[in-house]
Amino acid sequence: GAVVSQHPSWVICKSGTSVKIECRSLDFQATTMFWYRQFPKQSLMLMATSNEGSKATYEQGVEKDKFLINHASLTLSTLTVTSAHPEDSSFYICSARRTVQETQYFGPGTRLLVL
Amino acid sequence: DQQVKQNSPSLSVQEGRISILNCDYTNSMFDYFLWYKKYPAEGPTFLISISSIKDKNEDGRFTVFLNKSAKHLSLHIVPSQPGDSAVYFCAASIPNTGNQFYFGTGTSLTVIP
Repeated sequence: GAVVSQHPSWVICKSGTSVKIECRSLDFQATTMFWYRQFPKQSLMLMATSNEGSKATYEQGVEKDKFLINHASLTLSTLTVTSAHPEDSSFYICSARRTVQETQYFGPGTRLLVL
Repeated sequence: DQQVKQNSPSLSVQEGRISILNCDYTNSMFDYFLWYKKYPAEGPTFLISISSIKDKNEDGRFTVFLNKSAKHLSLHIVPSQPGDSAVYFCAASIPNTGNQFYFGTGTSLTVIP
């Protein structure tokens, strides 16, 4: 099957620090990776779409300077939450897609708590 | 603007009975629909999908029905099992837009043993 991993699975950090979350497709090459955020009892909200080797496309309302996305290879995308604040505390989930015709495969998510 | 809606935040069903989860959408451009199952603190896992050229797709205990004229889809689980207890999200996508998925707000299903 298509397996997507995320690291770390959860992280606690102080306000003002930066946190990097990795998303890896373990057994396939992902042409596109997506980053979502989910607040408690709410839907998954797409933050950005990244294609390998190009700049990420951010959804309206998502600050690209705050949420830095790097899709350096076909198996790795990173999301860096810069100068994190308590309101950034959330569950961040990535997904990866092999081809346009296929569905997205989701990672297990990363829970971020900013103190 | 929530283009995909799941109006029932929760549903309880007795084990062995049928679970019916509903989803409505507003954008007629959507042509591919999916259901995902999500346990707490885990990422969603793909369950079943349907394209707009079909009105039904079945996979084991799971069947998805699509009514394009009503812009409505539903997921039927029969027979329901306690392990089916999870949050179910429906999602929709538009062709040639990078396959962005629009998710509903989810329905929490509890199957009572």
